[in-house]
Amino acid sequence: NAGVTQTPKFQVLKTGQSMTLQCAQDMNHEYMSWYRQDPGMGLRLIHYSVGAGITDQGEVPNGYNVSRSTTEDFPLRLLSAAPSQTSVYFCASSYSGGSTLYEQYFGPGTRLTVT
Amino acid sequence: GENVEQHPSTLSVQEGDSAVIKCTYSDSASNYFPWYKQELGKGPQLIIDIRSNVGEKKDQRIAVTLNKTAKHFSLHITETQPEDSAVYFCAAAFTGGGNKLTFGTGTQLKVEL
Repeated sequence: NAGVTQTPKFQVLKTGQSMTLQCAQDMNHEYMSWYRQDPGMGLRLIHYSVGAGITDQGEVPNGYNVSRSTTEDFPLRLLSAAPSQTSVYFCASSYSGGSTLYEQYFGPGTRLTVT
Repeated sequence: GENVEQHPSTLSVQEGDSAVIKCTYSDSASNYFPWYKQELGKGPQLIIDIRSNVGEKKDQRIAVTLNKTAKHFSLHITETQPEDSAVYFCAAAFTGGGNKLTFGTGTQLKVEL
């Protein structure tokens, strides 16, 4: 299994540009999520999905869109990049078991710089 | 919402010594507390977790304790080795909230020879 994969590893954008960060997992996990990591602030949840066709907002959703058309993929879209979105982005996945919380597996991250 | 505080932000120990990282949480509904290790340039990786029906859990040199009354939990690493050097994050979640993790701000652990 490849686990959780993310592309690209690095990206530089100009203010106002759009892009999509890709995330895929091959573990048949129902739950997928996106976090951003900023110095001194830990990881903060952007959006998450409990299954194909179902998404919801996390702690810091503004400026980001997501969709989940398949179990495997969960792309994150930046519609109009801003310098405040400079960060390292991590995708994670896990089983979703109702009253049981399962280990989340993280991808290697995408380092995004917006100038 | 949940708020998780983590201390210290940096920790330096001599090889073979023990290291302790402490976290507090605010939401009494939280019942799942994982610890993640993040090596430079990589994504976080789960090293141990504890659920609210357990007070302590051990896995070789790593242990986690939970005090629900005080709303705090701690990571203990014994006989530290250079490969333990990394950033460690605590997190909290509750079963009624899906699998949404609230993370602490991280502890940079350095194990010196």
